[in-house]
This record gives sequence, C-alpha cells and structure tokens, in this order.
Amino acid sequence: QVRLQQWGAGLLKPSETLFLSCTVYGGSLNFDFWSWVRQTPGKGLEWIAEVDYRGTTNNNPSLRSRISVSLHTSHNQFSLKLTSVTAADTAVYYCARLTDGLDVWGQGTTVTVSS
Amino acid sequence: EIVLTQSPGTLSLSPGERATLSCRASQSVSSSSLAWYQQKPGQAPRLLIYGASTRATGIPDRFSGSGSGTDFTLTIARLEPEDFAVYYCQQYSITPRTFGQGTKVEIK
Repeated sequence: QVRLQQWGAGLLKPSETLFLSCTVYGGSLNFDFWSWVRQTPGKGLEWIAEVDYRGTTNNNPSLRSRISVSLHTSHNQFSLKLTSVTAADTAVYYCARLTDGLDVWGQGTTVTVSS
Repeated sequence: EIVLTQSPGTLSLSPGERATLSCRASQSVSSSSLAWYQQKPGQAPRLLIYGASTRATGIPDRFSGSGSGTDFTLTIARLEPEDFAVYYCQQYSITPRTFGQGTKVEIK
C-alpha cells in the first residue's frame, strides 16, 4: 500500500524560498502524477503543481514562475520549491498521488510566513 | 480554468437523513474526471468518489456520485455520525486541476 511522507521547513520569512519533499513508500514514481496541494482558511483547497513519472510538470498559473516541482527517482521522492514567499503563502501543504483522483495524501506540513 | 461551484455552503442534517451535495462546473468536465473528497478537522482530504460515480477503495456504499458534463452530485444515503465533515469536488480533466469551495455537512 502506497504511503506518502512529507517534510520541510514550517516557518519562513517573507522573500525566502519554501522547500518541501515527499517520499513515496510502498510504490514507485514510475507511474501517475505526483502533486502538491495547499489549503488556507480563506481559499480552501488549491492545486499547486504536479510532475509525472517522465519529469513533465504542470503548474498553477496563479503562482507563475515562483514554483517548480521535480522528481528524484533515486530516492523515490518528489519535491516542491516556491520562491519569494509572502504571508499569502501561509497554508497547510500536502503532497498527493493523482491516478483517478488524488487517492493517496501525505500528512500535511503547516507553513507559516512571518517576519 | 474550470471553476467549480458547490452548493449549498452548509447542510444541516440529522443522523439517518439523506444528504445531497451539488457541484457545478463552468465548462464541461471531459471523461467525467470529477472526484469527491471528505475532510475532517486536522486531517488530509480522503478520496470518496472518482470518475464522477466510482467509489474509491473502502468507501461505504451509502456514498454515491452521479452526473456528467457540468453538473455533478454526491449523495450520502443515510448519514452516520462520522459523515459530518466538509466535502470538496475536484476536476482532474485539465490543468489547473481545480477544487470547489466545499460544502460543510453539520449536525442539526
């Protein structure tokens, strides 16, 4: 059974860069889309980006060029980088697997951006 | 971008009652690539329904999904105490893979 374990820094200052990683246990990166979703009290669930098993990425246009996602197949991991964070990026961030729907989720990481 | 609008915002019902939740898309969702999720406080969302009407693994049969095109419905036949939560729809047909704003099902 596939399980996702995520980690990364939870407290950032404005203009810093957010890095999150997600390790896939019990499965392979060689199929499906590997996704990032965030949740804020005001905006609900927001799809951020995804990377497929070939390394092809899709990003949410609302985040423009600040976002990048990548695969690290040797470690069975995928990662998220979000540059120039502001208070508006404060949220719970989840990694998830997209097959038919997002069927496996990480535990979530609370990220707070504050000076 | 496909905008998903869920209604109602809040549904106040008693255990044993039937819940009907709506999700309307701003344009047609192809291949019925529409999913429903349940979320409880402090937890990640859980996939209930994919392909508009197929229950995910382990989901009780009191949950059912229907619809196509732009109009989709999640029905909970008889509410159990553990069903009181927030429910989201999501289209995964095209990117960005958008979510609805959620419907809270609360105890009346």
